[in-house]
Amino acid sequence: DADVTQTPRNRITKTGKRIMLECSQTKGHDRMYWYRQDPGLGLRLIYYSFDVKDINKGEISDGYSVSRQAQAKFSLSLESAIPNQTALYFCATSDITGMGGELFFGEGSRLTVL
Amino acid sequence: KQEVTQIPAALSVPEGENLVLNCSFTDSAIYNLQWFRQDPGKGLTSLLLIQSSQREQTSGRLNASLDKSSGRSTLYIAASQPGDSATYLCAVKTGGFKTIFGAGTRLFVKA
Repeated sequence: DADVTQTPRNRITKTGKRIMLECSQTKGHDRMYWYRQDPGLGLRLIYYSFDVKDINKGEISDGYSVSRQAQAKFSLSLESAIPNQTALYFCATSDITGMGGELFFGEGSRLTVL
Repeated sequence: KQEVTQIPAALSVPEGENLVLNCSFTDSAIYNLQWFRQDPGKGLTSLLLIQSSQREQTSGRLNASLDKSSGRSTLYIAASQPGDSATYLCAVKTGGFKTIFGAGTRLFVKA
């Protein structure tokens, strides 16, 4: 089984619908992240969490919210999806070893908003 | 503001060739630099992580170097194979625990 698991892997929805993307990890890492990837724009950070009581906005948090339900679970919600939120979304984790923790990514969730 | 650039954006080489992918960054105050591989529509697979105090890391046919003073990292792939075809991304971790990604180099190895 993958160390970082994302569900669903693919989702097609309509404008205005609420969507939740879920992420769970078995690596035992405290730090979890949500990124989106768009062609030509690379990966951009949406939200990150350093432990279950810590939530921080990334560079593109507008229109998104997150919940850290447990050390191993971090979910991303789109309260009212819009077409420009069509993208490939990635969950990632890292440990707290010094300053240089390695990032580990899930397989991605492809979201299409019609 | 840290910026990460990868050149070239795309590269096509014949099988067996040794090749170098480049990554440059604008601020030398980094904690680490990580190289990833991404297959189409898939997640990112970590290849090598170089801490700021290190000069290079090796894994199999891959060797990554880091020169903070010049703001450069290279990923060397020896004896390339068609299975190496993918997009390669570099990512720099900066102060505040932010990680900035390059746009990637798309590699195609011809059989």
